[in-house]
Amino acid sequence: ILNVEQSPQSLHVQEGDSTNFTCSFPSSNFYALHWYRWETAKSPEALFVMTLNGDEKKKGRISATLNTKEGYSYLYIKGSQPEDSATYLCARSNQAGTALIFGKGTTLSVSS
Amino acid sequence: KAGVTQTPRYLIKTRGQQVTLSCSPISGHRSVSWYQQTPGQGLQFLFEYFSETQRNKGNFPGRFSGRQFSNSRSEMNVSTLELGDSALYLCASSLAPGLVHNEQFFGPGTRLTVL
Repeated sequence: ILNVEQSPQSLHVQEGDSTNFTCSFPSSNFYALHWYRWETAKSPEALFVMTLNGDEKKKGRISATLNTKEGYSYLYIKGSQPEDSATYLCARSNQAGTALIFGKGTTLSVSS
Repeated sequence: KAGVTQTPRYLIKTRGQQVTLSCSPISGHRSVSWYQQTPGQGLQFLFEYFSETQRNKGNFPGRFSGRQFSNSRSEMNVSTLELGDSALYLCASSLAPGLVHNEQFFGPGTRLTVL
């Protein structure tokens, strides 16, 4: 099993702040990197699936970048809102795009 | 389109008992994966099924098993329950393995408490 590391473990920001998190993973035998948002009492929700080095994805105020050669991905949230409060998980998948290996997540709390 | 459903949502068992959890994937999805969430370990992969066959298995003891039916519904079974099996068990479905940008959709989970 190849470890996926996320930092920071938790983060508290004020409404309107922009923030970013890091996901690190072994760069060998890379296939895909997934980002999920997991709100309390809900199911994990897929944000992005990224496969190519240099990939950049965007969904509203949230964006992500991928560097497969050095083994990291960044998730950015622009102008954080209280509804962005959640745990953000990244996961590496196997060649079939399944069997996700998750990091332990970054828990974001946004105060209004 | 209905999402991934899991039953039961909550379960309380005692040590030594066995338990069966059920997962119905999104209509048309044929791949089902199971994950265990505990506070200390985070989300850990248990196993994956496709076309009624187990394709991948995580690092869990043999007490954890699963199966998939011809309609893609899946069950997982845990025998001889231990206190450490208390966790949230999540099921995720996807169209099929091997697709580019294969996205997994998660169910709400089954919260298992072992006393």
